[in-house]
Amino acid sequence: GNSVTQMEGPVTLSEEAFLTINCTYTATGYPSLFWYVQYPGEGLQLLLKATKADDKGSNKGFEATYRKETTSFHLEKGSVQVSDSAVYFCALSVYPSGSARQLTFGSGTQLTVLP
Amino acid sequence: NAGVTQTPKFQVLKTGQSMTLQCAQDMNHNSMYWYRQDPGMGLRLIYYSASEGTTDKGEVPNGYNVSRLNKREFSLRLESAAPSQTSVYFCASSGQGGVTNYGYTFGSGTRLTVV
Repeated sequence: GNSVTQMEGPVTLSEEAFLTINCTYTATGYPSLFWYVQYPGEGLQLLLKATKADDKGSNKGFEATYRKETTSFHLEKGSVQVSDSAVYFCALSVYPSGSARQLTFGSGTQLTVLP
Repeated sequence: NAGVTQTPKFQVLKTGQSMTLQCAQDMNHNSMYWYRQDPGMGLRLIYYSASEGTTDKGEVPNGYNVSRLNKREFSLRLESAAPSQTSVYFCASSGQGGVTNYGYTFGSGTRLTVV
């Protein structure tokens, strides 16, 4: 089956520090990969995505590269801000498959950025 | 504002009571989903509806029922609430391009406590 494994949290960083949140996956078929962000008290928002190997998704200074050889999609940001404090979820969707319309989520990583 | 609207935002139930969580989207999306979010477990799919008139079980359907009332609305019903159903519930939808390419749009969630 499909699964996503995320780096255990919580992660606490100082403002302007470099961020990496690791994500690895197992999947049947050809997955698309996503990072979602959840701010306190809100629903999940799509942060970035990559739909094929070697694609780089980017948004708001965050980046992640789809690495098929290592089955990874690590999230990075060069200089985090207090406003980046949130929970980050890695997710995948596989097409074609019986669950083509479903996203499989990792367990989430809580990020806290201190001023 | 366009998006996914969930009601209520908060609810406390006694064990054995029933309730229906409502979800509506105004983006003309075909597919809709119900997830539950529990600490350390990420999001788990309860039920989904690939298109109007169809519903399918997800990973954790026991204790729940759903109705796809029309293209816009997808409700989740708890017939006899149990403390194990204490969770945050998210409704989501995905559009013509499919979740593989575009991911989901999420509602802001319903925080349910069963005592």
